[in-house]
Amino acid sequence: ETGVTQTPRHLVMGMTNKKSLKCEQHLGHNAMYWYKQSAKKPLELMFVYNFKEQTENNSVPSRFSPECPNSSHLFLHLHTLQPEDSALYLCASSQTGVGSPLHFGNGTRLTVT
Amino acid sequence: AQTVTQSQPEMSVQEAETVTLSCTYDTSESNYYLFWYKQPPSRQMILVIRQEAYKQQNATENRFSVNFQKAAKSFSLKISDSQLGDTAMYFCAFMKPTNDYKLSFGAGTTVTVRA
Repeated sequence: ETGVTQTPRHLVMGMTNKKSLKCEQHLGHNAMYWYKQSAKKPLELMFVYNFKEQTENNSVPSRFSPECPNSSHLFLHLHTLQPEDSALYLCASSQTGVGSPLHFGNGTRLTVT
Repeated sequence: AQTVTQSQPEMSVQEAETVTLSCTYDTSESNYYLFWYKQPPSRQMILVIRQEAYKQQNATENRFSVNFQKAAKSFSLKISDSQLGDTAMYFCAFMKPTNDYKLSFGAGTTVTVRA
């Protein structure tokens, strides 16, 4: 399934770098999400956008800055990250509507050195 | 936050056999949605099955079926006729019937299918 595309697939960055993760969905959905997946931990919801408006910020540090210019695109801007931010970052989208399942991308494997 | 518990970190099954993954959850809601997702080495989370709590009938999807026990807050996944391509991490997830669309995930169960 290629309905949700994430780039890059892998990213290595230093703590002083600025980089961005990109997500694009081709499913006609109106809600988009960022999740963080760390080893040995359940997936953590970071942000939710519904019709381009941010509806959830799950106490995420300000060094992560999301952007949703339209319902099909979602970015996660990264700056001054810490080594503990190394993880798999998953983007997802869904229809608006209670109980709609999320559709995920392949994720970006981020390593902070 | 809703708590979703998967008590089996790893499971192994012989090809063509059946394996059952357990999931329990904690909620005070009477209506909600439950999901099983599969994450193979390709990393993409793939929806396996969805269950609506107000529906008594257990959801099925080809070789995948669930045993939904609402009173016990249990939502197990059965994989029948296991295939090598079923090797993956499996996550149980819970969604409240609200417009925040948030999924709460369990820690996952790694399933290995042996040839």
